[in-house]
Amino acid sequence: EDKVVQSPLSLVVHEGDTVTLNCSYEVTNFRSLLWYKQEKKAPTFLFMLTSSGIEKKSGRLSSILDKKELFSILNITATQTGDSAVYLCAVEDRDDKIIFGKGTRLHILP
Amino acid sequence: DAGITQSPRHKVTETGTPVTLRCHQTENHRYMYWYRQDPGHGLRLIHYSYGVKDTDKGEVSDGYSVSRSKTEDFLLTLESATSSQTSVYFCAISELNEQYFGPGTRLTVT
Repeated sequence: EDKVVQSPLSLVVHEGDTVTLNCSYEVTNFRSLLWYKQEKKAPTFLFMLTSSGIEKKSGRLSSILDKKELFSILNITATQTGDSAVYLCAVEDRDDKIIFGKGTRLHILP
Repeated sequence: DAGITQSPRHKVTETGTPVTLRCHQTENHRYMYWYRQDPGHGLRLIHYSYGVKDTDKGEVSDGYSVSRSKTEDFLLTLESATSSQTSVYFCAISELNEQYFGPGTRLTVT
């Protein structure tokens, strides 16, 4: 059965800290891995990763995929209180199905 | 913001009644998805569509049906609502590299 597992489930850090969120997967016919940020409303797209070893960056956020070890990490540097959210990892297969992890709830203390 | 709307945004209905949720997009994207989000389960795919009249089941499709007669509209129907279908429902669209979510519909089945 296909699955996506995120860790940790929740994380509390102080403003300015750097955090690393993990996503491992077991998905047949992998196509891409996606990261989302969800605050109080709908998830917001962050990154799509399809190739191993190529880092994607957007401001203080970056992500990389390892297709051999079947995982991805999402890094956030110099965290701010506005980074507090649930971060969702999802994997898309070649049949166009998308499987989500349960998310990591990140709380940034001022 | 991507042009995705969902209607209704909130609905309370009784067990056994039919319910239809509508997702409308103005982006002309090919792929559309219906998810439900529940505590402890994250986002789970109900059904998805890869074109007009082309739909397929996701991981939690029992009790739900969908229709896509036009590119811009993707309807989710609960033929006979049950309390276990109380949830927040998200529609999403995608084309190429990004996926965008609608604002969500909160459905309560009493």
